[in-house]
Amino acid sequence: KQEVTQIPAALSVPEGENLVLNCSFTDSAIYNLQWFRQDPGKGLTSLLLIQSSQREQTSGRLNASLDKSSGRSTLYIAASQPGDSATYLCAVETGTASKLTFGTGTRLQVTL
Amino acid sequence: DAGVIQSPRHEVTEMGQEVTLRCKPISGHNSLFWYRQTMMRGLELLIYFNNNVPIDDSGMPEDRFSAKMPNASFSTLKIQPSEPRDSAVYFCASSLPTSGRTDTQYFGPGTRLTVL
Repeated sequence: KQEVTQIPAALSVPEGENLVLNCSFTDSAIYNLQWFRQDPGKGLTSLLLIQSSQREQTSGRLNASLDKSSGRSTLYIAASQPGDSATYLCAVETGTASKLTFGTGTRLQVTL
Repeated sequence: DAGVIQSPRHEVTEMGQEVTLRCKPISGHNSLFWYRQTMMRGLELLIYFNNNVPIDDSGMPEDRFSAKMPNASFSTLKIQPSEPRDSAVYFCASSLPTSGRTDTQYFGPGTRLTVL
């Protein structure tokens, strides 16, 4: 059974810092990995999707990397802003097509 | 597009009552997912439809839960009878898979269910 772990569970950084969020998964036979953002009381917004054949994806200040063999992914946020404050979740697709297994998330707070 | 639409946004009911949650996926998407999010268990997939057909319902907790998708633009998740442990936020998501693999899933705002 696939298990997804995210460390740290919570993170507080001052504005402008670069930061890294970590995601690990137990079954390396994944089809893809996605990073989502969830604001309080809201649904999830997809940030980046990395196919199993890819090593990284970039969108603006966000960069996600994938090391499938070691079961790890990182989300790098450059020059953090208060608007980046949210919970970030990673999810992997394994086994049955389109079935995602989510991590428990990292709650990020960017302070002024 | 208005995105995935869910109703109601909040639902408070008493134990034993029937609860029906509704979802309208993004037009043109052919995959629909129901998730449940709790503090204890995080985000869990309950059931997944493709072209209106249930593909995987292994996440449905028990027979009290049922889901239907009568057409491409509407789905319901029903809990009967409801119990306090069903209290959670229920999300609906839709996607348009390519080459049989999942693509980006678009989530609705969720329904916060409280069962007293």
